Amino acid sequence: DQQVKQNSPSLSVQEGRISILNCDYTNSMFDYFLWYKKYPAEGPTFLISISSIKDKNEDGRFTVFLNKSAKHLSLHIVPSQPGDSAVYFCAASVRGGADGLTFGKGTHLIIQP
Amino acid sequence: DAGVIQSPRHEVTEMGQEVTLRCKPISGHDYLFWYRQTMMRGLELLIYFNNNVPIDDSGMPEDRFSAKMPNASFSTLKIQPSEPRDSAVYFCASSLWVRGRTTEAFFGQGTRLTVV
Repeated sequence: DQQVKQNSPSLSVQEGRISILNCDYTNSMFDYFLWYKKYPAEGPTFLISISSIKDKNEDGRFTVFLNKSAKHLSLHIVPSQPGDSAVYFCAASVRGGADGLTFGKGTHLIIQP
Repeated sequence: DAGVIQSPRHEVTEMGQEVTLRCKPISGHDYLFWYRQTMMRGLELLIYFNNNVPIDDSGMPEDRFSAKMPNASFSTLKIQPSEPRDSAVYFCASSLWVRGRTTEAFFGQGTRLTVV
C-alpha cells in the first residue's frame, strides 16, 4: 500500500516557465512533508518542507502548497532553470520526522532550453 | 561538517558473501536512518536509531539484514548471506530533534550494491 504517491513519473517544462510537481498521500497521521531533489549517483538533498499546520511555505523560487482536506501537496518552481533538472521526491512523516520518512517514487523533471 | 559519509560507494560481491555497509552521520545528530532504493519499491526505510538505540527495524526485509550503531559517529548495515535481489542503492541519513520535530534528514551519497 503506497501511502505517498507521485503519479507523474516525468515532467518536461520550458526554461523560465513554472514547474508544478504533485503528490498525494493517504495517511491522515502525516504531520510533516518534505521535498527532496536527487541528481544521478548522489543522495537526495533537502529542498523545502511544510508542517501540517500550514498551507504554504516559500523559499526563493520554491513554494510548497498543502491541501489537507484533499491530502495533496504540490511543489512550484518559478522560474524553472536548467539546473532544476533532477528527480524530485515527495516525502511525509508522522511525529515530526522522528519515525523516518515515507517517500513517493519520484518525478523526473526535465527543463527544456 | 563533511555531511553524512558512506562507504564504500560501490560494492560488487558474489551471492552468499557477507556485505557490510558503513555510515558516519553528521556530528551532533541524534537520529540515523538506513534506506534502500530499488526500481520496484523506490526509497524505503529499513531501520532507524535514536541516540544509538534501534527504534524500529520493521522495514528490514529479512533476518539476513542486521544493523548496529555502536556509538554516535558510526553505524553498519550488514547482509549475510547476500542474494542478487539485495542489489540496490543503500542510503544512510541523519537528523536532529529540535523543538518538537526532527530537522530535515541529510543523506549520504549512497552505496551501490551489486550481488552477482
